Amino acid sequence: RKEVEQDPGPFNVPEGATVAFNCTYSNSASQSFFWYRQDCRKEPKLLMSVYSSGNEDGRFTAQLNRASQYISLLIRDSKLSDSATYLCVVNQGGKLIFGQGTELSVKP
Amino acid sequence: DAGVIQSPRHEVTEMGQEVTLRCKPISGHNSLFWYRQTMMRGLELLIYFNNNVPIDDSGMPEDRFSAKMPNASFSTLKIQPSEPRDSAVYFCASSPGRGWEQYFGPGTRLTVT
Repeated sequence: RKEVEQDPGPFNVPEGATVAFNCTYSNSASQSFFWYRQDCRKEPKLLMSVYSSGNEDGRFTAQLNRASQYISLLIRDSKLSDSATYLCVVNQGGKLIFGQGTELSVKP
Repeated sequence: DAGVIQSPRHEVTEMGQEVTLRCKPISGHNSLFWYRQTMMRGLELLIYFNNNVPIDDSGMPEDRFSAKMPNASFSTLKIQPSEPRDSAVYFCASSPGRGWEQYFGPGTRLTVT
């Protein structure tokens, strides 16, 4: 089993849609969690950290369920510029473990 | 503010040649990471340093790969000799500390022919 597993992609959605990405992790001792975004041929960039109580940043909402070892990212009112690959990331003992990523394509 | 700086941005070399990739982390960051990304394997951690000391090099593919961090503002990843299967994008990232968020450089796109 992979340490971090994400929804298979790609997700193709129209502008304005709400889209949700899910991620599970295998190590219950994982300490912190993040979502990164990666555009084609660019470096991964931090989108947001994920806190136990859930957190929101504009159109983006991240949730963490430690009991189920599950992380989610919700994007509301999606924009063309949201098209990218979204990486679920888990901190295990000081190392960040990256999921394979889920590709999102937002169409006009 | 300057982010993580990597050089070169692109490198094309022939099989058997030595390749050296360079990284300057964000000033004040204590941890530095080297990753490799390919379509097949995704993003793989090769090695990371904390306070210039290598902490975990279990991701280094084989003895042909070596990394150094002689001071807090500079690190190198060397491949000698290079092989076509080493072709990938190599990212350097730095972090304020272990387990904190990481900030990536623009990467070096390596092609070994």
